[in-house]
Amino acid sequence: DAKTTQPNSMESNEEEPVHLPCNHSTISGTDYIHWYRQLPSQGPEYVIHGLTSNVNNRMASLAIAEDRKSSTLILHRATLRDAAVYYCILRDGGNTPLVFGKGTRLSVIA
Amino acid sequence: ETGVTQSPTHLIKTRGQQVTLRCSSQSGHNTVSWYQQALGQGPQFIFQYYREEENGRGNFPPRFSGLQFPNYSSELNVNALELDDSALYLCASSLITDTQYFGPGTRLTVL
Repeated sequence: DAKTTQPNSMESNEEEPVHLPCNHSTISGTDYIHWYRQLPSQGPEYVIHGLTSNVNNRMASLAIAEDRKSSTLILHRATLRDAAVYYCILRDGGNTPLVFGKGTRLSVIA
Repeated sequence: ETGVTQSPTHLIKTRGQQVTLRCSSQSGHNTVSWYQQALGQGPQFIFQYYREEENGRGNFPPRFSGLQFPNYSSELNVNALELDDSALYLCASSLITDTQYFGPGTRLTVL
């Protein structure tokens, strides 16, 4: 499985934008970049995914580097409810399981 | 549309016992995956069921087994419990290659 590298932790002020980086230098051409997050005492929650182009949804934006070796999850205005562990996961288009690393623990300060 | 539910929420067992955990899939989903999450770690894939057949397995011993029922609900069974089996057990339902939707998990403590 292609691996991802994320910072262990990040901190943000409430209502500020947050950029969560992910490196995946060994990504293959068929790997999609998925982001999940896990709030305290809950199961992981899907956030967003993309292949090559930047993606936006109601939760976040995903910016993918042109060479696809890195990506950034963008939360446009962090709230206290966004405090969670964020996982960047590579998954090919087939039926493969999610391979979680340790993720980035995001703290949001009021 | 109901989400993924799991039961029980918490469970305490002793070493050597057997345990069954249950998962109800989100409506319309035909695939269920089970994950084990140790404290401070990301979830680790145990196995996946698609239309009642095991469809992939992670690096877990045979004492971890499962079932998927015609209504796509699922069970995870663990025999001969060990202390290291203490973890949060998560199930996720999906259509076969689609986004996975996770339940809240079952916290298993083995004493």
